[in-house]
Amino acid sequence: DVKVTQSSRYLVKRTGEKVFLECVQDMDHENMFWYRQDPGLGLRLIYFSYDVKMKEKGDIPEGYSVSREKKERFSLILESASTNQTSMYLCASGDGYTFGSGTRLTVV
Amino acid sequence: KQEVTQIPAALSVPEGENLVLNCSFTDSAIYNLQWFRQDPGKGLTSLLLIQSSQREQTSGRLNASLDKSSGRSTLYIAASQPGDSATYLCAVVKFPGTYKYIFGTGTRLKVLA
Repeated sequence: DVKVTQSSRYLVKRTGEKVFLECVQDMDHENMFWYRQDPGLGLRLIYFSYDVKMKEKGDIPEGYSVSREKKERFSLILESASTNQTSMYLCASGDGYTFGSGTRLTVV
Repeated sequence: KQEVTQIPAALSVPEGENLVLNCSFTDSAIYNLQWFRQDPGKGLTSLLLIQSSQREQTSGRLNASLDKSSGRSTLYIAASQPGDSATYLCAVVKFPGTYKYIFGTGTRLKVLA
């Protein structure tokens, strides 16, 4: 069974901290994506990648960066966490998406 | 700009009913459409993927149809069960090779036992 694994289900971080969200897929997919999901706003694309070391901004990249050093791993980085980044973060991979189970991040 | 709308936002039905969930999109020039299910606090699970050359897909009690010319897709759930209770989202992608899906805000379904 194909899998997309997000390293943490729940995270609580302090304002100003640097936060790493990890996503690993075992399907040899080239495409990987990071979304955030907020009530009333739906899913919004933060960053995506079509290949190793390649990244493209999505619709709301401000305050985030990404890293893709290996094909199977796509990391989302919050450079300096803020309370408005409290959200559910969802990683997806593939042409037809397979999603991870999500990371609920709370910034206090 | 592509917009994806799902109506109704919430739906409550008795067990056993057949039901239809709707998805509308403003730009009919789409490549793929995908339906997902999301349980509370969880990630999204892919249900059905309809590619550009297809008009429908079926999996078990689920059937999804796509009419690109009218900008609509429907998800049909036969003989609904309490375990079908979840939020259902549709998403569309415009170009092959980009795979940047645009999501609707979902229909929250509750099936009553």
